[in-house]
Amino acid sequence: QVQLVESGGGVVQPGRSLRLSCAASGFTFSSYGMHWVRQAPGKGLEWVAVIWYDGSYKYYADSVKGRFTISRDNSKDTLNLQMDSLRAEDTAVYYCARGGMVIAAIPDFWGQGTLVTVSS
Amino acid sequence: DIQMTQSPSSLSASVGDRVTITCRASQDISNYLAWFQQKPGKAPKYLIYAASSLQSGVPSKFRGSGSGTDFNLTISSLQSEDFATYYCQQYKSYPLTFGGGTRVEIK
Repeated sequence: QVQLVESGGGVVQPGRSLRLSCAASGFTFSSYGMHWVRQAPGKGLEWVAVIWYDGSYKYYADSVKGRFTISRDNSKDTLNLQMDSLRAEDTAVYYCARGGMVIAAIPDFWGQGTLVTVSS
Repeated sequence: DIQMTQSPSSLSASVGDRVTITCRASQDISNYLAWFQQKPGKAPKYLIYAASSLQSGVPSKFRGSGSGTDFNLTISSLQSEDFATYYCQQYKSYPLTFGGGTRVEIK
């Protein structure tokens, strides 16, 4: 069955960096676009970034552009999110999600998330 | 960027009721709209695409409608498992954007 398992979350000071990873299994990872979506505590969903199935295109939310970098390793079925210059407002649960096969822009399957807390 | 506004932000309903949630886009998105359900402490679940098409395995009690800028999600015969927060999402263009969510609570 499809599984997405995020890791790398934790407590980090403002201005520092953190790298999240998402291990995928149960589907042909290299055929799907992948997303990161976050949710601040008690708040709604905020889309963060997407990467095309082959890594050829990447898009970011304005709030993270220039600070976050999405990447993937199709040989290891892994999605990454490098987060630099972290701010308190980046505190959230970060979900890795698979884009649909037909509609890649809809995250059709989500991991359980990893919590990132930015605090001094 | 396309802004998505949901209303109400929360509603109370009883088991067996029918409820309707509204989602409005800041510009015409045709039918490039999806709906998600999220229960506390869980990841969101994908319900509807293209404004009105049910994702595989989603019961027909969920009905999406609308096009352009105004959309609705109607849930018929509410059951305990339907009490959750619902989000709309536009996929007309990047950056993708979600509505603020509608929490459906038990009256």
